[in-house]
Amino acid sequence: QVQLVQSGAEVKKPGSSVKVSCKASGDTFSRNTISWVRQAPAQGLEWMGRIIPVYGTANYAQKFQGRVTFTADESTSTVYMELSSLRSEDTAFYYCARVGSGTGGSLDSWGQGTLVTVSS
Amino acid sequence: EIRMTQSPSSLSASVGDRVTITCRASQSISNHLNWYQQKPGKAPKLLIYAASSLQSGVPSRFSGSGSGTDFTLTINSLQPEDFATYYCQQSYNTFGPGTTVDIK
Repeated sequence: QVQLVQSGAEVKKPGSSVKVSCKASGDTFSRNTISWVRQAPAQGLEWMGRIIPVYGTANYAQKFQGRVTFTADESTSTVYMELSSLRSEDTAFYYCARVGSGTGGSLDSWGQGTLVTVSS
Repeated sequence: EIRMTQSPSSLSASVGDRVTITCRASQSISNHLNWYQQKPGKAPKLLIYAASSLQSGVPSRFSGSGSGTDFTLTINSLQPEDFATYYCQQSYNTFGPGTTVDIK
């Protein structure tokens, strides 16, 4: 089983960027696909996209195309999510989650979440 | 883009009740449908994958069914720890808006 530990809370100004990290342990990092999901306060879950670290390839939800970038560092088993041109509507918890092996593309392990607050 | 809907958006139930939540996709997604439970302040937890397969460690009172566009999550004999919000998700893609189960 993989454990995912995310970086701490961030407070950002509108128009700036944020980079959230997600460190994996307990499983072979490069074999996993990692997805990012966000949740605004009192709102539902929103899928942002996914990255396959071993290939470095990423797919992004249409809503975030051009504004989000996923990267991976295999040497530290860490995946990063960078979101640019921040606005107040980006205030949310951001979660990384592993796409399970043999579980039909579901998300079977989750990080603890990182709160990003966008405020002037 | 495939859109996911859920009904109802919320429901009130009592311990011991049988609860059914429906998820609908705007076009066929075969069995590529997952269910999650989320409690306040916590990350979601996988319950059901591939429409009807129970995730390891999840109590057997949870079950899923359906294929194509219509799916169901059933909780038999609701327990106090089951009061939460439930989300469906198309694999590798969008979530439904959620269904909150609270105490009647």
